[in-house]
Amino acid sequence: DGGITQSPKYLFRKEGQNVTLSCEQNLNHDAMYWYRQDPGQGLRLIYYSQIVNDFQKGDIAEGYSVSREKKESFPLTVTSAQKNPTAFYLCASSTPRGGYSYEQYFGPGTRLTVT
Amino acid sequence: SQKIEQNSEALNIQEGKTATLTCNYTNYSPAYLQWYRQDPGRGPVFLLLIRENEKEKRKERLKVTFDTTLKQSLFHITASQPADSATYLCALGSGTYKYIFGTGTRLKVLA
Repeated sequence: DGGITQSPKYLFRKEGQNVTLSCEQNLNHDAMYWYRQDPGQGLRLIYYSQIVNDFQKGDIAEGYSVSREKKESFPLTVTSAQKNPTAFYLCASSTPRGGYSYEQYFGPGTRLTVT
Repeated sequence: SQKIEQNSEALNIQEGKTATLTCNYTNYSPAYLQWYRQDPGRGPVFLLLIRENEKEKRKERLKVTFDTTLKQSLFHITASQPADSATYLCALGSGTYKYIFGTGTRLKVLA
């Protein structure tokens, strides 16, 4: 059963702590993405990776870090430097065709609450 | 800066009617436009993609139009059902791996 898994679904942390969100896909997709979604706002791109061992900053990368050591995995670390970390985090993957990356497949999301 | 606008107000329609959602954009020349459905607390699900050289795309009860002159896409759901109630997002892409998403329009189909 192919898809993207994110864990955990809900995550609670104290302010000042780093936290890592998991994202795994078995779709054999090359590209993976992390988005953040806040109420009333669209999805905002944090980081994306086109291939293993390579990733680029998105529009709101400050306070976040990622790694892409395996094709299947793209974990996101929310560091203490992120000023407003409470949000719904979505991981996605896609496979490029003809130089374009088309439909994205999203995971179920992780809702992070920092107090 | 690049901007996508979707009607932030919820759209309520009667079951059986056609729902029409709008996506407008500025300062962007997308190669393609996508529509996604998102249910509360869940990740978006891809519905349709339309390329810049296509005027219209259909899939079952769904229809998307793309007018690059008006910089607008319309998303239609015909014979709407209560199960169609969700938030619908549009996303623009060009010759890169990056997408720009709109804020979404919440649709409620009343039985």
